[in-house]
Amino acid sequence: EAGVTQSPTHLIKTRGQQVTLRCSPISGHTSVYWYQQALGLGLQFLLWYDEGEERNRGNFPPRFSGRQFPNYSSELNVNALELEDSALYLCASSLAYREAPEAFFGQGTRLTVV
Amino acid sequence: GQNIDQPTEMTATEGAIVQINCTYQTSGFNGLFWYQQHAGEAPTFLSYNVLDGLEEKGRFSSFLSRSKGYSYLLLKELQMKDSASYLCAVRPPPPGGGNKLTFGTGTQLKVEL
Repeated sequence: EAGVTQSPTHLIKTRGQQVTLRCSPISGHTSVYWYQQALGLGLQFLLWYDEGEERNRGNFPPRFSGRQFPNYSSELNVNALELEDSALYLCASSLAYREAPEAFFGQGTRLTVV
Repeated sequence: GQNIDQPTEMTATEGAIVQINCTYQTSGFNGLFWYQQHAGEAPTFLSYNVLDGLEEKGRFSSFLSRSKGYSYLLLKELQMKDSASYLCAVRPPPPGGGNKLTFGTGTQLKVEL
């Protein structure tokens, strides 16, 4: 069974540009979570999508946004990139919240902003 | 607010036992996770505790005391491949929590010969 897949694996962008990261959850999982892991920091929660709707978001500015498609895949969009957005962006998926507690992570997208 | 503390680094010897501690102060609690993350790889799920006590899974065990806001991960018979970062994460209560986990900064474990 395929795990959580993310694309691209690496990305280099310039300040002010926009970027879209993609995530395909494990088959059967309806919840998708996005986390940011900057160097030296713990994973910071960004967004949670379930059944196509945004259920919760972390303490990030509005230029971080996303969506979940009918097939439960998800996109994370970051506008007006800043240098401090350089980080590993991790996507995780899980069954519906009440069915199972554990989330499974993808390999991540390494974003470098120059 | 949410605050999770773990030691930054630990070193242990192959074959030995190591205990990685995690303390938390959170505004709500609905379970504590431990994840393992090798450099450049995705975090992988190790354990989940929601009730007090010890959960054992092979070489790995995890303990939780909710009244003390404390957990530990115990690794036995250490192997070189156990060298990794170990992440402690707390799950908030429903309905808004889901798996909106709050992570500690991780404990980098180095296993030596």
